[in-house]
This record gives sequence, C-alpha cells and structure tokens, in this order.
Amino acid sequence: DVKVTQSSRYLVKRTGEKVFLECVQDMDHENMFWYRQDPGLGLRLIYFSYDVKMKEKGDIPEGYSVSREKKERFSLILESASTNQTSMYLCASRGQPTGELFFGEGSRLTVL
Amino acid sequence: QQQVKQSPQSLIVQKGGISIINCAYENTAFDYFPWYQQFPGKGPALLIAIRPDVSEKKEGRFTISFNKSAKQFSLHIMDSQPGDSATYFCAATNTGGFKTIFGAGTRLFVKA
Repeated sequence: DVKVTQSSRYLVKRTGEKVFLECVQDMDHENMFWYRQDPGLGLRLIYFSYDVKMKEKGDIPEGYSVSREKKERFSLILESASTNQTSMYLCASRGQPTGELFFGEGSRLTVL
Repeated sequence: QQQVKQSPQSLIVQKGGISIINCAYENTAFDYFPWYQQFPGKGPALLIAIRPDVSEKKEGRFTISFNKSAKQFSLHIMDSQPGDSATYFCAATNTGGFKTIFGAGTRLFVKA
C-alpha cells in the first residue's frame, strides 16, 4: 500500500511565523505535489516537484516555497505566515503510468 | 481552459437512491479523468477513473459516463448508502504533463 505521511495534522501559528509542513512517501514516486484545500474552491496546486531538487510553481505559489532534498520527502514552507494562509494542506505523490494521485491525510493550519 | 466545473455543490439523497454529480472541462488535451472520494479528516482517494476512448466505466455501484463531444463527464452512484456520504472531486489531467485540475467538490449526504 502506498503511504503518504504528513507529520503535522493540526498546527496553530501566529502571523509572521515561519511554518514547515513535511511530507514523506514510501513508493519511490518521482512526482510530488502540495495542494491547498478550501471550501468551494476544490484543491489548488501550490507547488510540485518532478525530481529531487527540482520544483515548479503551481497555480497559487505566492507566499510559499518548497524543498525536495530527498526523493521521498517534500516540504512546504511558509516564510511569514498570514491569516489568509489558514487552510487544509494536502501532499500527494503520483504513480505512473496512470497518473493517480496518492494523498496524505492533510495538515490543517490555523494562522492567528 | 484549465478549469473543471463541478455541480452540484451539495447533494442529499435517500438511501437506495441514485446520486449524480456532473463535471465539464474545456481543455481537449486532458486524457485522464479521475474521481476522488474524501471522508472527513482524510485525504482524497481515487474512486474510479476513465480515459476519453470509452464512454462509460463501471466499478460496482459507481459508474462514470463520459461525453467527449460535449466535454462532460459524470459520476453515478447507484443504490446510495450512508457510507457513501463524503466529498467527491472530479478531476482532469494530461498524463504527459504534471498538473491535475480539480473541480470544486460535491458534498454528498445519504439519508438513512
């Protein structure tokens, strides 16, 4: 079974704090993704990585950065958290050749 | 051109009834159309998917109908059960690329 693990399920941070969200997958997938989920907006792509140390901006990258130093690990970084970044964050890895996405259980971030 | 429009936003169905969720896309380059199911507190998980070379795919009580000329596809849940209560996302992707575009989601509630 594919497993995508997000280490922090719930976080509460203050405006201006730096936030790290960690994601690990155990299926040796090359492609990994960070999505943000908000009610009525579906899942929106923040960043993705197609290989170690390679990253591409998604549809809403502003205010975020990512790091992929190892194939199994993909981190999302909020350099200076703001209240409008309060959301559910979902990490996914992609299997080939179908393109199926395997999601973690999500990290719910509240920024006060 | 990158949007996937999903309706309805919410749906209440009696146990044993048929649940129908509709999606429309614009980009004719999409070649993989998955549906994801998400239970509260969990990440989305692939439910069923279709490629545009077939008009219908059935897996148990779940059926995707695909209309390539109209650029529309829909999910039918037959004999809906309370355990089907979840949020459903349609999606579209070009498997040669990286991005999966999601609909806004439909919250389904099946009344016992």
